[in-house]
Amino acid sequence: EAGVAQSPRYKIIEKRQSVAFWCNPISGHATLYWYQQILGQGPKLLIQFQNNGVVDDSQLPKDRFSAERLKGVDSTLKIQPAKLEDSAVYLCASSLYQGAQYTEAFFGQGTRLTVV
Amino acid sequence: GDSVTQMEGPVTLSEEAFLTINCTYTATGYPSLFWYVQYPGEGLQLLLKATKADDKGSNKGFEATYRKETTSFHLEKGSVQVSDSAVYFCALAGGGADGLTFGKGTHLIIQP
Repeated sequence: EAGVAQSPRYKIIEKRQSVAFWCNPISGHATLYWYQQILGQGPKLLIQFQNNGVVDDSQLPKDRFSAERLKGVDSTLKIQPAKLEDSAVYLCASSLYQGAQYTEAFFGQGTRLTVV
Repeated sequence: GDSVTQMEGPVTLSEEAFLTINCTYTATGYPSLFWYVQYPGEGLQLLLKATKADDKGSNKGFEATYRKETTSFHLEKGSVQVSDSAVYFCALAGGGADGLTFGKGTHLIIQP
């Protein structure tokens, strides 16, 4: 079974530039998550999609971050304009949706963003 | 809001030593609890989970018991190996498909 695919693996940009990350979840997984992992910290949930609808974006800095999941499959996360503090690894994860029953989230390898 | 606190690292042990990594949590309701592991150069992987009080999760010789009375989910292994060297994250989820709340991670180093 193919895992969660993310690209690019690494990205270096200057502050105030824009950047986009792409995620392809495991086939059939209805739930998709984007996490931000700053060096030395645990991942922090940015946004959660159920099919192509947003379930939770309470921790997404909406003045500069945006995300979409067209057709309920692939997703993109965009930052515009980037700040130095956005330097982090951006992780995508996906899981089956089975109502109240927990289903395991599978993580991609992440995109390491460096803002200079 | 929900939060997870785990012991700071790095934790350095000799091979075959006993391992404990402490984890405590704060959450409303009855969360599910998890340990994730990140091996060098790899993505996060689920190591074990427990979905209700007194459940014990186990995998690859690791185990953790969901203790509601102490709001804890400590990770243990009786005899660690060099291959266990990794970063370990304790996490919780409030509901079935909820996003995870992670601790800061504990870097474990096992020396031969």
